Amino acid sequence: NAGVTQTPKFQVLKTGQSMTLQCAQDMNHNSMYWYRQDPGMGLRLIYYSASEGTTDKGEVPNGYNVSRLNKREFSLRLESAAPSQTSVYFCASSQMRASGGPTDTQYFGPGTRLTVL
Amino acid sequence: QQPVQSPQAVILREGEDAVINCSSSKALYSVHWYRQKHGEAPVFLMILLKGGEQKGHEKISASFNEKKQQSSLYLTASQLSYSGTYFCGTEYDYGQNFVFGPGTRLSVLP
Repeated sequence: NAGVTQTPKFQVLKTGQSMTLQCAQDMNHNSMYWYRQDPGMGLRLIYYSASEGTTDKGEVPNGYNVSRLNKREFSLRLESAAPSQTSVYFCASSQMRASGGPTDTQYFGPGTRLTVL
Repeated sequence: QQPVQSPQAVILREGEDAVINCSSSKALYSVHWYRQKHGEAPVFLMILLKGGEQKGHEKISASFNEKKQQSSLYLTASQLSYSGTYFCGTEYDYGQNFVFGPGTRLSVLP
């Protein structure tokens, strides 16, 4: 099992350019997440998909869009990149939360390091 | 609402103990602990639910104090492999969004 994979690993964009970050998981998980990580800020949730066909905003959704293409794949799109979006982006997946239970363990991909000039 | 972690950073010698705290101004439903080594993805350590539960994983254990709205991660007889940034993640109630803390950077020196 590859677990959670992300492409690309590194990317440099100019302000105003667009791009899509790809994420796929092979663990048959229902829930998938996109986080950004900035120094001193921890991991902040951008968007998540609790199950196939649903997406919801997280803490910092502005400037991003997502698509849950199927159960395996969850992509993140930057329509018009800005320098403030320079960050490391992590995708994660987990089992669907059990009724009455806590959020399940999240499994993270290796990350995409994005620089916007 | 992001939980608070303390200390922000700690430096240890191999074999020493450390405690990392995660606290909230709101009642906690669950606390999750993850470790991230430099340049790698975060990796799950353990989950604690409200009720004062304590869990352990080899020489790493954690407690959850509901009254203090705080969880503590205990690293005993630290090893070089323990170096990394430790994040707590919290839920304030069932169904609420899960939020990570800012992290505590732990460095273990030989």
